[in-house]
Amino acid sequence: KAGVTQTPRYLIKTRGQQVTLSCSPISGHRSVSWYQQTPGQGLQFLFEYFSETQRNKGNFPGRFSGRQFSNSRSEMNVSTLELGDSALYLCASSFWAGEYEQYFGPGTRLTVT
Amino acid sequence: TQLLEQSPQFLSIQEGENLTVYCNSSSVFSSLQWYRQEPGEGPVLLVTVVTGGEVKKLKRLTFQFGDARKDSSLHITAAQPGDTGLYLCAGVNGNQFYFGTGTSLTVIP
Repeated sequence: KAGVTQTPRYLIKTRGQQVTLSCSPISGHRSVSWYQQTPGQGLQFLFEYFSETQRNKGNFPGRFSGRQFSNSRSEMNVSTLELGDSALYLCASSFWAGEYEQYFGPGTRLTVT
Repeated sequence: TQLLEQSPQFLSIQEGENLTVYCNSSSVFSSLQWYRQEPGEGPVLLVTVVTGGEVKKLKRLTFQFGDARKDSSLHITAAQPGDTGLYLCAGVNGNQFYFGTGTSLTVIP
């Protein structure tokens, strides 16, 4: 089974621009979560989508948004980029196996200049 | 907010030594997961512990879930350079995951 894929792997953007990141979950997984990882803050939860609906949301400003398509693929969008948005953005797909288990993609490294 | 504190934050040891990483919280979780993350990659799930007091062994790694299901530990025996990475614990309640602050382990050959 193919793992979680994320595109692009690396991205450089300028302050004020917007960016869209893409995530393809493992086949059969209906839940997709997004996380932001930085050296100072660690792994922080952004949001989770299940069957095209946002099920959980972390404590991030409205500039961060996401969506999920009928094939479970997900995108996240960050508008009006700030320097502090530079981070590794991780996508994880999960399924129920008695407990939920998450499988992460390799991440998208976003640098905002 | 359900915080998980990991200790130590950084650990640098010689190959062959033993070590223990701790994950503590004041919240109760239905299960606890451990992940290892290598530079430039996403975290990889190592184990899920579900029952209070449960101990799971994966080769040289031993994972324990506290009796009260609020804390966990990871013990590595005879560490090897391949064990180098960021170790993350995650408390799970339903479909929500709460990640710990992480322990960065370096094993020196």
